[in-house]
Amino acid sequence: QTVVTQEPSFSVSPGGTVTLTCDLSSGSVSTNYYPSWYQQTPGQAPRTLIYNTHIRSSGVPDRFSGSILGNRAALTITGAQADDECDFYCALYMGSGIWVFGGGTKLTVL
Amino acid sequence: VQLVDSGGGLIQRGGSLRLSCAASGYTFSNYWMHWVRQAPGKGLVWVARINGDGSDTTYADSVKGRFTISRDNAKNTLYLQMNSLRVEDTAVYYCARTQTGGYFDLWGRGTLVTVSS
Repeated sequence: QTVVTQEPSFSVSPGGTVTLTCDLSSGSVSTNYYPSWYQQTPGQAPRTLIYNTHIRSSGVPDRFSGSILGNRAALTITGAQADDECDFYCALYMGSGIWVFGGGTKLTVL
Repeated sequence: VQLVDSGGGLIQRGGSLRLSCAASGYTFSNYWMHWVRQAPGKGLVWVARINGDGSDTTYADSVKGRFTISRDNAKNTLYLQMNSLRVEDTAVYYCARTQTGGYFDLWGRGTLVTVSS
């Protein structure tokens, strides 16, 4: 059973920088898993932020960036704003038509 | 360009339900489609995927053998037939599209399925 792990919660000060990570139980996350990141506010459908590790989706501000840090996928938010307070999810493509989402990170901006 | 999912509701344990997702604004048959669910207060969970012509499907282990994903490209509609429903299947079900490169780029608004015991 493949498990993708994210920090359950994270806190950042307004204007600060935070890096959320996405870890794979069976080994290292690489670009071969096409990591993607999604933002979700309560009661809403997810919004795509980052795909193919580091490519920003249309309309996503450049203070959101994706990368591979060590053996994890990472989402870095610089200049955090109050409306960044929501849930963030990573997703990995495992191949053979199978995807796995991480458990999500609840970000608090205070 | 949008996806409109429907068909959710309250159903008893062991029952069946069929969800629908109507696509518009793009060439439906060109894209893989998925169902992703989210239990109340929990995270996103990938459920099932179907390729563009409907000839290939994949499922999460938790629903394999109980759920069937299908599509009607003439009607631009995606389906999820859910049988032998369990209380733990209670969730908002989202239909979603993936782009080349394997990322979800278009989501429906979700439809709530509640399985009672």
